[in-house]
Amino acid sequence: AQTVTQSQPEMSVQEAETVTLSCTYDTSESDYYLFWYKQPPSRQMILVIRQEAYKQQNATENRFSVNFQKAAKSFSLKISDSQLGDAAMYFCAYKSGTSYGKLTFGQGTILTVHP
Amino acid sequence: DTGVSQDPRHKITKRGQNVTFRCDPISEHNRLYWYRQTLGQGPEFLTYFQNEAQLEKSRLLSDRFSAERPKGSFSTLEIQRTEQGDSAMYLCASSAYRGHGELFFGEGSRLTVL
Repeated sequence: AQTVTQSQPEMSVQEAETVTLSCTYDTSESDYYLFWYKQPPSRQMILVIRQEAYKQQNATENRFSVNFQKAAKSFSLKISDSQLGDAAMYFCAYKSGTSYGKLTFGQGTILTVHP
Repeated sequence: DTGVSQDPRHKITKRGQNVTFRCDPISEHNRLYWYRQTLGQGPEFLTYFQNEAQLEKSRLLSDRFSAERPKGSFSTLEIQRTEQGDSAMYLCASSAYRGHGELFFGEGSRLTVL
């Protein structure tokens, strides 16, 4: 079974600074997808960024980018120019390439952004 | 608003009572999922529907839990004889048949069992 581990329960960053959230996963599959989801307080979870395992290039979405290290099974999220609205719980998630959409989530990292 | 909607948002009940949650997915999505999230943890998969067919159930879904999706539209999750351990946020998500597996989540239904 696949597992996803987020070793940082909490992180904080100053507004406009850069922060990196860590995620490691364990799988024996070669075809899979990795995601970062953001869950603001009392709001629904939304997708931040997605990475296909077969792609060597790291995904980027505006201020959000990932560092995907397939051999190390590491998938970190970098948030540049942090904004107050980035404050949320962030979840790393894994999906098998053969799966319809079932996700395995990590425990989450609470990100606080200080003005 | 064409997002995933869940009702009720909050439910407080006494132990032993039955509760039912409803989820209305994005209209063109034929895949629907239920997850459970306890405080400070990531969501855990409960069950999955493709159209009206329930294709997978987690071991977390005990006999007291039942989910339906009649006509492949909205879904209900019923918990019978609630226990304090059932207290959690119940999240519904939907996705399209095609795509990279992006799930669209609702805001969740929070259950408190006294």
